[in-house]
Amino acid sequence: GQSLEQPSEVTAVEGAIVQINCTYQTSGFYGLSWYQQHDGGAPTFLSYNALDGLEETGRFSSFLSRSDSYGYLLLQELQMKDSASYFCAVRLGNTDKLIFGTGTRLQVFP
Amino acid sequence: DTAVSQTPKYLVTQMGNDKSIKCEQNLGHDTMYWYKQDSKKFLKIMFSYNNKELIINETVPNRFSPKSPDKAHLNLHINSLELGDSAVYFCASSLGTSGRRDNEQFFGPGTRLTVL
Repeated sequence: GQSLEQPSEVTAVEGAIVQINCTYQTSGFYGLSWYQQHDGGAPTFLSYNALDGLEETGRFSSFLSRSDSYGYLLLQELQMKDSASYFCAVRLGNTDKLIFGTGTRLQVFP
Repeated sequence: DTAVSQTPKYLVTQMGNDKSIKCEQNLGHDTMYWYKQDSKKFLKIMFSYNNKELIINETVPNRFSPKSPDKAHLNLHINSLELGDSAVYFCASSLGTSGRRDNEQFFGPGTRLTVL
């Protein structure tokens, strides 16, 4: 079967750096995406890695190691508005099918 | 202005009823999806259509039937609703199964379905 594991909850203070890990066991891996979802809201796209390495987009960076079946999302200079759930998602094969992880709830404290 | 819209936003109904959720996207995307998010926030794909053609059909009870009248619309009809169908249903769209590197899916605001 397909499985993606993430920590269930992470807490941090404003201005800090936090890393959310994702390990996956899937068939037909094509890339790893990250989505943010605020309570009561819709998932919104943050990043996508198809190749090994680090992708940086402003305060957020995403890393992928295909050989380790592992990725992470790095959030820097945390702000209160970053409090949300974060999901990793594997793109399977050359399709747009996404398998989502269990989600990580990030709470940022002042 | 809305990219992906869904109606209704909330749906409360009795067991055994039949209901529909509508979805529209104005992004010009080729592919649309239905996802179900349960009370534990687990997000699971149900269906996907590419240019009105069904391309992903997960293990979903056949009480759920998607319909795509054109590539901008993907509706979800649910027959004989059960308690376990209570969830938030998200519609999403993306550029398509082109193999492009970027893989952003745009989600609608969700429909919270409560079956009593």
